[in-house]
Amino acid sequence: NAGVTQTPKFQVLKTGQSMTLQCAQDMNHNSMYWYRQDPGMGLRLIYYSASEGTTDKGEVPNGYNVSRLNKREFSLRLESAAPSQTSVYFCASSRQGRGRGWQTQYFGPGTRLLVL
Amino acid sequence: GDSVTQMEGPVTLSEEAFLTINCTYTATGYPSLFWYVQYPGEGLQLLLKATKADDKGSNKGFEATYRKETTSFHLEKGSVQVSDSAVYFCASRSNFGNEKLTFGTGTRLTIIP
Repeated sequence: NAGVTQTPKFQVLKTGQSMTLQCAQDMNHNSMYWYRQDPGMGLRLIYYSASEGTTDKGEVPNGYNVSRLNKREFSLRLESAAPSQTSVYFCASSRQGRGRGWQTQYFGPGTRLLVL
Repeated sequence: GDSVTQMEGPVTLSEEAFLTINCTYTATGYPSLFWYVQYPGEGLQLLLKATKADDKGSNKGFEATYRKETTSFHLEKGSVQVSDSAVYFCASRSNFGNEKLTFGTGTRLTIIP
């Protein structure tokens, strides 16, 4: 049981290049999330997907697009990378539901992105 | 909107010292509260949680009690170990509407032997 996996682990881009960060979970979770982590700012939500076929903007969506490919996979795309997008990106997933026990989010190991 | 404020770091303690990392929240209604831990080079792991007032979450010797009257969820451990060195994040999740977590900025903890 791998949990949440992310690829790649590390990437260097030049300004203007594009790339897609991949995320997959094997826990049969309905909801998936993309966060970025910057020094002194904690984690900020970029986009999330409450269920297969739906996506919604989070706190900092500008410059990103997402695709919920199927229930397992949720990708994050940078169409034209900028130095301000240098960050560590985390994918997470959770079961969906209104019950208090369903709220735990499980995180992947992260992708460290450097944009020059 | 919702927000989480936690004690700024870094925090450096000697092994076997008592640890407190403060966390307060603002939210609509009564959110669920979480502490996540991030070890060097790894993603975030859930450490403990509490879903209603007066609940105490506990795990690996860490504890935190959901205090509605002070809107706090302080993390404590009676005797820290070198292996507890990590970054600790407090987070809240509103029980109204969406499932988004709101994170604090994180507190880096270093334990010296």
